[in-house]
Amino acid sequence: QKEVEQDPGPLSVPEGAIVSLNCTYSNSAFQYFMWYRQYSRKGPELLMYTYSSGNKEDGRFTAQVDKSSKYISLFIRDSQPSDSATYLCAMGGGGNTGKLIFGQGTTLQVKP
Amino acid sequence: GAGVSQSPSNKVTEKGKDVELRCDPISGHTALYWYRQSLGQGLEFLIYFQGNSAPDKSGLPSDRFSAERTGGSVSTLTIQRTQQEDSAVYLCASSSKFYNEQFFGPGTRLTVL
Repeated sequence: QKEVEQDPGPLSVPEGAIVSLNCTYSNSAFQYFMWYRQYSRKGPELLMYTYSSGNKEDGRFTAQVDKSSKYISLFIRDSQPSDSATYLCAMGGGGNTGKLIFGQGTTLQVKP
Repeated sequence: GAGVSQSPSNKVTEKGKDVELRCDPISGHTALYWYRQSLGQGLEFLIYFQGNSAPDKSGLPSDRFSAERTGGSVSTLTIQRTQQEDSAVYLCASSSKFYNEQFFGPGTRLTVL
């Protein structure tokens, strides 16, 4: 079993839809959680960073962490065609290293 | 300000050759990371440098892979005797310190023929 599981999709939605992206993890030592967006042939771009359970909102994006269930989510409201990309969850902590463990990534397509 | 830069952006090499990939982190960032992204896969951690501490090499897949960071800034990832399974995008990231957000470069796309 992978430490971080993420449905690779692809996920296709119409413009304006609410998108929900999810990851589960098995290592209870993870302490911080991130979501990255990656456009084709580009490096990942940090979207959200959270350090605790609960919700964090930034514009149209909301990150949710439930440590008791080992489950994290990213919600995108009013999705736009420019949101079409691969979304990667990542998590780390629990040891003397800064390395991140990534999910496989979910490919999202927002159709105009 | 300038972000993380990597060179070359693309590298095509023949099986058995050695390659060197370079990463310039964001100025002032003390932590530097190398990851590998194979087709359709998430990012796989390779190695991590933090200041003057011994690097965390736990992700290096074989002894053909090595990395160094000179002067606490630029890093070079070296792959010796490349194999076709080494073909991937090699990504470098840096952060201001341990546990902080990691910022990625554009990657080097390595193709081993």
